[in-house]
Amino acid sequence: TQLLEQSPQFLSIQEGENLTVYCNSSSVFSSLQWYRQEPGEGPVLLVTVVTGGEVKKLKRLTFQFGDARKDSSLHITAAQPGDTGLYLCAVGGSQGNLIFGKGTKLSVKP
Amino acid sequence: GAVVSQHPSWVICKSGTSVKIECRSLDFQATTMFWYRQFPKQSLMLMATSNEGSKATYEQGVEKDKFLINHASLTLSTLTVTSAHPEDSSFYICSARARFASYNEQFFGPGTRLTVL
Repeated sequence: TQLLEQSPQFLSIQEGENLTVYCNSSSVFSSLQWYRQEPGEGPVLLVTVVTGGEVKKLKRLTFQFGDARKDSSLHITAAQPGDTGLYLCAVGGSQGNLIFGKGTKLSVKP
Repeated sequence: GAVVSQHPSWVICKSGTSVKIECRSLDFQATTMFWYRQFPKQSLMLMATSNEGSKATYEQGVEKDKFLINHASLTLSTLTVTSAHPEDSSFYICSARARFASYNEQFFGPGTRLTVL
């Protein structure tokens, strides 16, 4: 069973559109992270959320942690081609490692 | 700051040969380094956890004799894929956890694409 369920798996939109991707679980987490990975590269940390209900903004990206700390969402306003990539949510594992969701592959067309 | 490098960035080898991949934290000391594997269109899966000066901890299903991990210093970990076979072809990514990190934050290397012919 997948600990973190991400949806949608794939998303193809036009430049300027808004979008939301989700990361859901039945487990409670002390923190959750979002990463973006471009083809042939390692993931890059976007944000860490730690408090239930927390909202963090990073330019056109808005991240929210659910009140119960079981889920999170990432909203992108006025998407640009540079936003194209694989968006991964992750939580901490028992070894101090990260456990990743399967990711949402976003394609923004000009 | 907090840069992690990997070398090589890609490698093609013949079946049966061994390949060594290096992971370095360039501007910080890493308390722990992790090795992940990512198959096409899939997410990252943890292979092993490496602490400086001690034996690596491998995830279930990962053969420790096939994937040799050496963590010689606080800035260098190496992964050697021994007797590589085509099914070992994958994208291998390391990450490093810094002493100053909080909330499981890790810094990832750019990955190494291994193709075994």
